[in-house]
Amino acid sequence: DQQVKQNSPSLSVQEGRISILNCDYTNSMFDYFLWYKKYPAEGPTFLISISSIKDKNEDGRFTVFLNKSAKHLSLHIVPSQPGDSAVYFCAATTLSGSARQLTFGSGTQLTVLP
Amino acid sequence: DTAVSQTPKYLVTQMGNDKSIKCEQNLGHDTMYWYKQDSKKFLKIMFSYNNKELIINETVPNRFSPKSPDKAHLNLHINSLELGDSAVYFCASRRGLAGSYGYTFGSGTRLTVV
Repeated sequence: DQQVKQNSPSLSVQEGRISILNCDYTNSMFDYFLWYKKYPAEGPTFLISISSIKDKNEDGRFTVFLNKSAKHLSLHIVPSQPGDSAVYFCAATTLSGSARQLTFGSGTQLTVLP
Repeated sequence: DTAVSQTPKYLVTQMGNDKSIKCEQNLGHDTMYWYKQDSKKFLKIMFSYNNKELIINETVPNRFSPKSPDKAHLNLHINSLELGDSAVYFCASRRGLAGSYGYTFGSGTRLTVV
């Protein structure tokens, strides 16, 4: 049972334009949502997070939007750069007792064309 | 000065063998994890240790045994390797239990069982 879903396996965007990566979730107990970026042969790198009580968080070119009623979040990258080409994972977390773990989506391969 | 380091990066072994993957973090984090990325690219939690104590143990065959000699190390031992164990294994660590803190991942160990 996939609790975090990324329905688009790939996305191509022209350099300088906006990239929008989408993510849906089913577990209403998630209290934080995170985005990770992964290059080939490397581990995922943390990008940005958002609390479930917020609807927007911004960090430089990256903005994450959360629509809690729709159980949907999105990552906006503006402007997109060729170095942004990577796999982006959406992840969600909840605290259960003394444990907190991340549940990942399947990733979206972003390609930024020069 | 690598924050989370895994060794080896690549591991090719025959079915039935026993192997270990080592992980060390120099970030002073309290919690360490093992994740498995399968052929469909999903990242799934296997184990989590907090200050050397096992706190998450997902449904993983008991051929997999984590060992944490101290809070900076979390090793993964796999006995009687099977073809289906072929995957990329990521070690990760994080500070505290706040949901906004991203995990720091190692670069992964690609295990191939032949």
